[in-house]
Order: sequence, then C-alpha cells, then structure tokens
Amino acid sequence: AQSVTQLDSQVPVFEEAPVELRCNYSSSVSVYLFWYVQYPNQGLQLLLKYLSGSTLVKGINGFEAEFNKSQTSFHLRKPSVHISDTAEYFCAVGISGGYNKLIFGAGTRLAVHP
Amino acid sequence: DAGVTQSPTHLIKTRGQQVTLRCSPKSGHDTVSWYQQALGQEPQFIFQYYEEEERQRGNFPDRFSGHQFPNYSSELNVNALLLGDSALYLCASSPGLEQYTGELFFGEGSRLTVL
Repeated sequence: AQSVTQLDSQVPVFEEAPVELRCNYSSSVSVYLFWYVQYPNQGLQLLLKYLSGSTLVKGINGFEAEFNKSQTSFHLRKPSVHISDTAEYFCAVGISGGYNKLIFGAGTRLAVHP
Repeated sequence: DAGVTQSPTHLIKTRGQQVTLRCSPKSGHDTVSWYQQALGQEPQFIFQYYEEEERQRGNFPDRFSGHQFPNYSSELNVNALLLGDSALYLCASSPGLEQYTGELFFGEGSRLTVL
C-alpha cells in the first residue's frame, strides 16, 4: 500500500522569503508524485508532477520540487513567496502503471504574511 | 476548453435524505473519479468510473453509488445521509489508461451540508 506524510501541518512565512513544504511517501512499487494547491472554497489545481526522468521538477507559479528516491521524499520549494501563495498544499502519490488513483497527504497550510 | 464542471455547487440536506451530484469531465477525458473532502482534511478516494463501469472503489459504504453515462459524465449518489457525509465532493477526470500520466483534473466541487 502507498502512503504520504506531509511533515508540517502549517507553515507561516513572510512575504518574499523562501519556503519548503516537506513530503515523504511510502510505496513498494514505482510511483508518480504530485503537488496540488487548493485555495479556499475551490477545487485542486496541479502545481507540478514527477513521472520519470529529471528529479528536479518545475511547476507553475515559480514552484519546484525535487524527487529523492533514496529518502523517499518530494519536497516543494519556492525561492520567494507572495501573499497570493497562501493556500493549502497537498502532496499526492499515484501508482506507476496503475489506474488514475491518487492518495493524498494531510495537507500543509501555507500562510504568507506581509 | 471547458474543464471539469460540477453541479450543484452547494446544497443542504437533512439526515436520511438522498442526494445526487453531477460531473462533466474535461473534454477528451473518459475516466471520472470522485473524492470526498471533509472540512480540514485531505481528499479521500470514493470510486472511479471508466467505460461506464466502476473500476476501483475506496473504503466507502454501499450508500455511496455512482454511474457513468455514454458521454462520460458521471453522477454520485448518496443514500440515507448522515451528518458525517457533510463534505466537499470533488470530481476529477483523466484520459484513458493508454494515455495515463497519473494527473487528475479536478472540478470546483459540490459542498454538501447535512443537517
């Protein structure tokens, strides 16, 4: 079975500061990895995904993530955050070669302060 | 290009009632999945439909049922509503298995409140 652990439930940060949201996963088979963002009262929007190839993945809104197989991690980073980045961020894992089913972590609330 | 659309956006029901939620997938997608997201929680997989059949199911009781139509749209039905069914119900679509990338495209959700 697969599982996802987001190590921080809340991350407060000042505007223009860098941020890292941590995600670890557990799986006995190859996985795909995703970060989704959810703004209040909205659905989920894909930030970035890792399917294969380069371990450094760049996404929308200046976010990037690095896949580390040995540490089973997929941490999300942004060098300079904006107030508009305040949202809930979910890390998710899907099974490589399997059906289109995702298992989500519990989420990290990013709060950007002026 | 329309994305995933869901209706209704909000609804209020009382315990014991039944509810039907609707979803139209993104153009070109033929697989629809439903997720339940309780307040402050992560989305939980309910089930997935492909070729008008339920292909996978999460850990939800039989009160939760679904259907997929020939045009790939889908419905989620919940019978005998409980207070704990209050949640945001998210529909997600994806292309067929031969085009699988793992990515799901989500709608804005239907927020169900059970009183």
